[in-house]
Amino acid sequence: QKEVEQNSGPLSVPEGAIASLNCTYSDRGSQSFFWYRQYSGKSPELIMSIYSNGDKEDGRFTAQLNKASQYVSLLIRDSQPSDSATYLCAGQGSGNTGKLIFGQGTTLQVKP
Amino acid sequence: DAGITQSPRYKITETGRQVTLMCHQTWSHSYMFWYRQDLGHGLRLIYYSAAADITDKGEVPDGYVVSRSKTENFPLTLESATRSQTSVYFCASSARDRGTDTQYFGPGTRLTVL
Repeated sequence: QKEVEQNSGPLSVPEGAIASLNCTYSDRGSQSFFWYRQYSGKSPELIMSIYSNGDKEDGRFTAQLNKASQYVSLLIRDSQPSDSATYLCAGQGSGNTGKLIFGQGTTLQVKP
Repeated sequence: DAGITQSPRYKITETGRQVTLMCHQTWSHSYMFWYRQDLGHGLRLIYYSAAADITDKGEVPDGYVVSRSKTENFPLTLESATRSQTSVYFCASSARDRGTDTQYFGPGTRLTVL
């Protein structure tokens, strides 16, 4: 069973701090990884995708990928209360199917 | 640009009834997906489709039927609804044929089976 695992949290950080969200995956064949944000009662929305080892930055968000360690992370700098949501990590499934394998999500709470 | 839409947004039905959830996308994406999301289970894939007339089972297909006669539509039917099918259902699409597995989600349908 190919899996993507996340700590469900909640992860609580003060406003202005760096939030670090982590994800591990079991399928070494996965090449693409995605972070989605899901507000309560809403649908998941894409924050970032990452395909290569290393860091990828977009505004306050940085995604990190380490394929050797099978580890993906998302850093949120200068966290805001509006960042409070559940963050879903997803990895491309192997076998050329187009499917993504989702983790169960980490709930982030940013306290003012 | 409507993107991806789902209807109805909310549905209450009774055990044993047939229910169809609609999904429509305007991007001409080749791939479409149906997920259900329940507390404690995250997103679980029900069915997916690589193109019109091509569908395949996901993780939890039992009790569901899909069809895809047109690229833009991917309806999900619960043939005989059960209480365990009470959930939030999300449709998603991706342009995998254009080189990306990024999935874009519709707003969801909250289904309650009494």
